[in-house]
Amino acid sequence: DQQVKQNSPSLSVQEGRISILNCDYTNSMFDYFLWYKKYPAEGPTFLISISSIKDKNEDGRFTVFLNKSAKHLSLHIVPSQPGDSAVYFCAASGWRTNAGKSTFGDGTTLTVKP
Amino acid sequence: ETGVTQSPTHLIKTRGQQVTLRCSSQSGHNTVSWYQQALGQGPQFIFQYYREEENGRGNFPPRFSGLQFPNYSSELNVNALELDDSALYLCASSLVAGGSSGANVLTFGAGSRLTVL
Repeated sequence: DQQVKQNSPSLSVQEGRISILNCDYTNSMFDYFLWYKKYPAEGPTFLISISSIKDKNEDGRFTVFLNKSAKHLSLHIVPSQPGDSAVYFCAASGWRTNAGKSTFGDGTTLTVKP
Repeated sequence: ETGVTQSPTHLIKTRGQQVTLRCSSQSGHNTVSWYQQALGQGPQFIFQYYREEENGRGNFPPRFSGLQFPNYSSELNVNALELDDSALYLCASSLVAGGSSGANVLTFGAGSRLTVL
């Protein structure tokens, strides 16, 4: 039973447009959520996070939205740039267990076309 | 500051053999987590080490074991290799206060790609 799901394996958008990546979770104990970005032949790198006490967190072009009642979060990238092309992983953890023990989704491959 | 380094980058083993993967944590980090990433899937948590002791384990059998050293470097050992152990093994370090809670972020290495024939 997958507790963190990214239902879209891939997403293609035009440069300058918005990219929206979605993530659903089932475990009510999750209260801290992170997005990581992964380029080929590199490890995942941290992008942005949000705790369950918030419903939105922004960092430059990246915004994460959390809907606790729907157990859904999304990552918005505006405007999208070709360098954003990568695999994006959603991850979740419980505050008490620390994010080193995160549960990851299977990733969404984002392609931003020039 | 140095990042997380892993070795070897690639290796091939045969079924039944044993393997040791190594990881050097990012400077200033005190916790190491290991993840297994099968092809087309996301990383799966294997275990975490804090203060040289295992601090949580995912759904992996005992033939997956690890060590953390006083300098916070770490090893992942897998005995009796099976074909399904073929995967990218990721090491990630973080700074955790108290070992149990906190919104800490993982810094990942590039991984060790293991192929079991």
